[in-house]
Amino acid sequence: DAGVIQSPRHEVTEMGQEVTLRCKPISGHNSLFWYRQTMMRGLELLIYFNNNVPIDDSGMPEDRFSAKMPNASFSTLKIQPSEPRDSAVYFCASRGRPSSYEQYFGPGTRLTVT
Amino acid sequence: SQQGEEDPQALSIQEGENATMNCSYKTSINNLQWYRQNSGRGLVHLILIRSNEREKHSGRLRVTLDTSKKSSSLLITASRAADTASYFCASFNFGNEKLTFGTGTRLTIIP
Repeated sequence: DAGVIQSPRHEVTEMGQEVTLRCKPISGHNSLFWYRQTMMRGLELLIYFNNNVPIDDSGMPEDRFSAKMPNASFSTLKIQPSEPRDSAVYFCASRGRPSSYEQYFGPGTRLTVT
Repeated sequence: SQQGEEDPQALSIQEGENATMNCSYKTSINNLQWYRQNSGRGLVHLILIRSNEREKHSGRLRVTLDTSKKSSSLLITASRAADTASYFCASFNFGNEKLTFGTGTRLTIIP
């Protein structure tokens, strides 16, 4: 099993640009989570999906952030327009059946907004 | 903040010694999990303890849970250089299906 795949691994962009982060969950997993990790705020849950449906997006910081999951094998997190304070490592994680509580994390995307 | 707290924030020990990390959380839980994060990598699940359990073992790992104090501890015995990483506790609330992560303990094993 390839594990959770994220792309790109690193992204450097200028303030105001659109950024799209991508995630492919583990095949057969039906829950997907997007997290953001910074030194100041630690690991924060942004949004999660069950069976491709967004369940809780209360962690999404602003309307500049949006996430989609068009099918069971792909999700995107988009920031438009990006700002320097969005600089962080963004992780995607997936989980199997609901009674299996552990989450499997991807390697993360390190985003730098200048 | 809904985050839990971990103590200590950083810990350095000699290889072969035992490492103990503590975690406190804020809400009622269904289970508590521990994850490891190596530098520049994603988190890896280590062990899960359910709210009706008090202690659990997995290899060199021992986890305890005290729901009355809303606290947990992770003990790594006979530490190895490869155990150098950050360790996070995460509380699972069945009501909202979310994992709430602690602030983490950075563990350094000195060869």
